[in-house]
Amino acid sequence: AQKVTQAQTEISVVEKEDVTLDCVYETRDTTYYLFWYKQPPSGELVFLIRRNSFDEQNEISGRYSWNFQKSTSSFNFTITASQVVDSAVYFCALSLMNTGFQKLVFGTGTRLLVSP
Amino acid sequence: NAGVTQTPKFRVLKTGQSMTLLCAQDMNHEYMYWYRQDPGMGLRLIHYSVGEGTTAKGEVPDGYNVSRLKKQNFLLGLESAAPSQTSVYFCASSARNTEAFFGQGTRLTVV
Repeated sequence: AQKVTQAQTEISVVEKEDVTLDCVYETRDTTYYLFWYKQPPSGELVFLIRRNSFDEQNEISGRYSWNFQKSTSSFNFTITASQVVDSAVYFCALSLMNTGFQKLVFGTGTRLLVSP
Repeated sequence: NAGVTQTPKFRVLKTGQSMTLLCAQDMNHEYMYWYRQDPGMGLRLIHYSVGEGTTAKGEVPDGYNVSRLKKQNFLLGLESAAPSQTSVYFCASSARNTEAFFGQGTRLTVV
């Protein structure tokens, strides 16, 4: 069975601080996808990134960056120079690659509060 | 392009009542999913469908039924609602090996 752990329940930062959201996953399969989704206060789920298990390259998109390390089964998410609009709940998720469809296993989420 | 649309967005049910949640997607996705979100538990998969006319159980299927009569629609039914089914329900769809796109969610309260 697959499992995703987001040990940080809530993080509070002041605007312009950098913040890292941790994600640790468990799976016996060697081919899988990892995801991050954002859930702003309005409630919808917004896709941020998908990585496959073959690609451990870090990725940067603007103020967002992701660090994927298979050796520690982690897929951490860093927001640089945080802004109030980053306040949301962030979910890490995993799905297996062999089926083609996305039976996502979610972590419990990390609530990020960015204050001015 | 609406993406994934859920109907209704809010609903209050009495214990024992039945209802159907409708999910519609306009992206021609093969796969569709129903999740529930509860405080402190993240999202959990209820049922999913890998194509028109097919459905399968997810992690927490008890108390729910689903149908996928048309490729673009995925219905979630509660035959006899219970307070434990108070939750936010999300529908999602995806193409093969792509990310899932989620609807806006349905907040259901069972009293």
